[in-house]
Amino acid sequence: GEDVEQSLFLSVREGDSSVINCTYTDSSSTYLYWYKQEPGAGLQLLTYIFSNMDMKQDQRLTVLLNKKDKHLSLRIADTQTGDSAIYFCAESNRSGGSYIPTFGRGTSLIVHP
Amino acid sequence: DAGVTQSPTHLIKTRGQQVTLRCSPKSGHDTVSWYQQALGQGPQFIFQYYEEEERQRGNFPDRFSGHQFPNYSSELNVNALLLGDSALYLCASTPDRGHSGNTIYFGEGSWLTVV
Repeated sequence: GEDVEQSLFLSVREGDSSVINCTYTDSSSTYLYWYKQEPGAGLQLLTYIFSNMDMKQDQRLTVLLNKKDKHLSLRIADTQTGDSAIYFCAESNRSGGSYIPTFGRGTSLIVHP
Repeated sequence: DAGVTQSPTHLIKTRGQQVTLRCSPKSGHDTVSWYQQALGQGPQFIFQYYEEEERQRGNFPDRFSGHQFPNYSSELNVNALLLGDSALYLCASTPDRGHSGNTIYFGEGSWLTVV
């Protein structure tokens, strides 16, 4: 199976909270990331969490990590139409001497009025 | 401070041709990685360069090769192009020889279409 798995689509109403979920298989993952990709653009690092943390909050973004279940989630509060994009979960560990993220297939977030 | 810059942004090539894509890392970054993102997929790691040498490589054939220059910029070369090489090619840079797991930044990518 895939090393990092995400659901492919999420549709929410503007103003609601969005929760995007991710599972991964590598128990030695050190960093877990959320990247955002807007249509036709590259990847923007939204936030990351170190593996010894279980929660990180950054303005409207809350990341929850359940290391036992290898489950990562991204909550976006007060979702806006500008949040519509593809969100990629990724994990990395320092194998081979450097961190190289492994990505999921991405979750398309659609925000409708 | 410019981020990671890539060129060209879009290009079209014919099967069998060769292509070179270029990347300038973010200022202060010395390690460059290349990823391939096919339509509807997540980015797949191709290889990483540090100190002008390929340090790690993903599951890509030898048709994919690269180079890093003394100023840390990098090129990705793909020979004998196949239709399946059509994708967005992303460059990522990081400082500290790749030892910083929380400062990996991506460029806008180069869209390659093979016809």
